[in-house]
Amino acid sequence: QSVLTQPPSASGTPGQRVTISCSGSSSNIGGNTVNWYQQLPRTAPKLLIYSNHQRPSGVPDRFSGSKSGTSASLAISGLQSEDEADYYCAAWDDSLNGVVFGGGTKLTVL
Amino acid sequence: QVQLQESGPGLVKPSGTLSLTCAVSGGSINSSDWWTWVRQPPGKGLEWIGQIYHSGDTHYNPSLKSRVAMSVDKSKNQFSLNLNSVAAADTAVYFCARHEGLYCSDGTCYGWLDPWGQGALVTVSS
Repeated sequence: QSVLTQPPSASGTPGQRVTISCSGSSSNIGGNTVNWYQQLPRTAPKLLIYSNHQRPSGVPDRFSGSKSGTSASLAISGLQSEDEADYYCAAWDDSLNGVVFGGGTKLTVL
Repeated sequence: QVQLQESGPGLVKPSGTLSLTCAVSGGSINSSDWWTWVRQPPGKGLEWIGQIYHSGDTHYNPSLKSRVAMSVDKSKNQFSLNLNSVAAADTAVYFCARHEGLYCSDGTCYGWLDPWGQGALVTVSS
């Protein structure tokens, strides 16, 4: 049982906009910044969004993040086949004194 | 740019100790970053194991705290993970990562995991 809650799956067709939600509590998302990681099949996770909405160099602006209260969202616009991957949200948790992850959302491009 | 590489035995016997090392290249382990271990059981999600600072300060996941120990070797620019009394449930891909930008200010904590190592599959089996 993950501390942060994500839908297990999401899907969309090429060109569509898809959003993935991440729900937490005051000890994690509510009080700290949220990061998103993309894990392509059989590879290590890669930082996709940091500090709620910042994109690392090289990440397309099709990917965007937002946070409100104890929830966060990842939006992917102009969906492409190469976006098919698992997506994880994460945040620092003050109670755990460590990092907590969502259970991951498997994105399928139809 | 910083790169990380895990190494260690791929097979550990039940009740034994899992030992992994993460070599840091392109940067110094003496930086202001924390050095992290994350694992992923086959077909499942990510679990934070813990992290260590170059001073030796650590944060461990409470669910694993009684079995985990991390250390830093500054001379080799690497850090290590030991997990004892392993069982089949500890079978996973183990990733090391840099926890960059970790700081807390005015009640808000920042920081992100980047980069990650490629991962090392460790199987617990007799």
